[in-house]
Amino acid sequence: DIQMTQSPSSLSASVGDRVTITCRASQSISSYLNWYQQKPGKAPNLLIYAASSLQSGVPSRFSGSGSGTDFTLTISSLQPEDFTTYYCQQTYSTPWTFGQGTKVEIK
Amino acid sequence: EVQLLESGGGLVQPGGSLRLSCAASGFSFSSYGMSWVRQAPGKGLEWVSVISGSGGSTYYADSVKGRFTISRDNSKNTLYLQMNSLRAEDTAVYYCAKARGCSSTSCYRSKEGFDPWGQGTLVTVSS
Repeated sequence: DIQMTQSPSSLSASVGDRVTITCRASQSISSYLNWYQQKPGKAPNLLIYAASSLQSGVPSRFSGSGSGTDFTLTISSLQPEDFTTYYCQQTYSTPWTFGQGTKVEIK
Repeated sequence: EVQLLESGGGLVQPGGSLRLSCAASGFSFSSYGMSWVRQAPGKGLEWVSVISGSGGSTYYADSVKGRFTISRDNSKNTLYLQMNSLRAEDTAVYYCAKARGCSSTSCYRSKEGFDPWGQGTLVTVSS
C-alpha cells in the first residue's frame, strides 16, 4: 500500500501569510494527488486534483505542485476562513490513501 | 445541483451488521464511480471502498476487506455499503463521495478526486 505523509502536522500562521504544506508518497504516484480542506463538523471539500488543477469555485490563492513522490499545497495569502485542516490523497492505486492531515491554526 | 445524502447510520453492537445508503441526484449516476470514506471521532480521513459506474469493479481498504461490501443500484441512483462483523474501531462518520475520473468499468486509478461529498452518517459500534 502507498503511504502518504504530510508535514507539518500543524502550523501556526497569521492572516496574509504564505503557507506551504508538504505531502510525500512512499512510492511514485505520478500526478495522482488530490488536496482537500475540511472544516469542523463538515464534509471535506476538494481544492486541487491531479496535483495542480484548481477545482472549480476554489479561490486562486490555493495552488498545488509536484509529481512523483513530493507534492505541495500553497495558500498564497491566508484568509480567516482558511484556518482549518487539510488532507492530501493519492488515487494512483487502490487502496487509495489519505495523509494524516495538517491543521492550520491562528498565530 | 449535485447532491449526495447518506442514511442508515446508528448504534450497533460489536459483531452486528448495518447497511448504509447514499442517494444521489443532479448527475448521471451510472457514469461515475462512487466511494465511501470514513472518519473516526477526532481522527483523520480513511478511504474505505470504491465502485465503478457499472458496478462491475470494486476495491476495498485492507481494514474492511471481507467484512464490508459496496454495491449500487443505478436504477435507483443509490450507493450502498453493507457492513458486517462490525468492530469498535469501525465507529466513525461515513461519507459517500462521487469519485470522478473512474471509467465505467474500473476505478483502480483516478486523476480527478472526490467531489462532491455527502454530509455523512454516524456509525457507532458499542455494547
